Amino acid sequence: EVQVVESGGGLVQPGGSLRLSCVASGFSFSRFLMNWVRQTPGKGLEWVANIKEDGSAKYYVESVKGRFTISRDNAKNSVYLQMDSLRAEDTAVYYCARGQNYYYYMDVWGKGTTVTVSS
Amino acid sequence: IQMTQSPSSLSASVGDRVIITCRASQNIGNYLSWFQQTPGKGPKLLIYVASSLQSGVPSRFSGSGSGTDFSLTISGLHREDFATYYCQQSYNTPYTFGQGTKVEI
Repeated sequence: EVQVVESGGGLVQPGGSLRLSCVASGFSFSRFLMNWVRQTPGKGLEWVANIKEDGSAKYYVESVKGRFTISRDNAKNSVYLQMDSLRAEDTAVYYCARGQNYYYYMDVWGKGTTVTVSS
Repeated sequence: IQMTQSPSSLSASVGDRVIITCRASQNIGNYLSWFQQTPGKGPKLLIYVASSLQSGVPSRFSGSGSGTDFSLTISGLHREDFATYYCQQSYNTPYTFGQGTKVEI
């Protein structure tokens, strides 16, 4: 079965750090772009970052640049999101999503992991 | 690129035909996807490249449009279709989503 499973969410204080993980199975992980997308009740769905198949290129939404880092380990079929200097507005459900190289659409999504930034 | 969906919500009955529209703030070609989301679950891809039906998605779902104006049509609502629908552009980063359309009974 083709799937991705996120983990690593939790409660963290403002200014703190958290590392999210996403493990893929059922497909050739190293052949796909990988994305992180988050969802808040107030702002809906927001794409956060993505990383090319070989990790050679990474892109971020402006609001997380300099604070979040996306990375991947193709040997472990995993993609990560290191989140530093967290703010209350980063509170969201974070989804991992596989990206196709054809028109870059996101076709496989996980169930998400919840990040809460609060003192 | 801003994506604007309409309506934000709608009420419909089983068997109805429903059309949701999505407008991009600039030309995005066919770099447009549609997703369905039910409470507590991640988004599910329905349509990609504006009009291609994702494998396993019922044929009552269809997409059309190109450039800046797109639509999602559900031809004959089933009970399991009551959900929130989102459009999303992948023309360039940052990818952006519409605000969602909630389809209610």
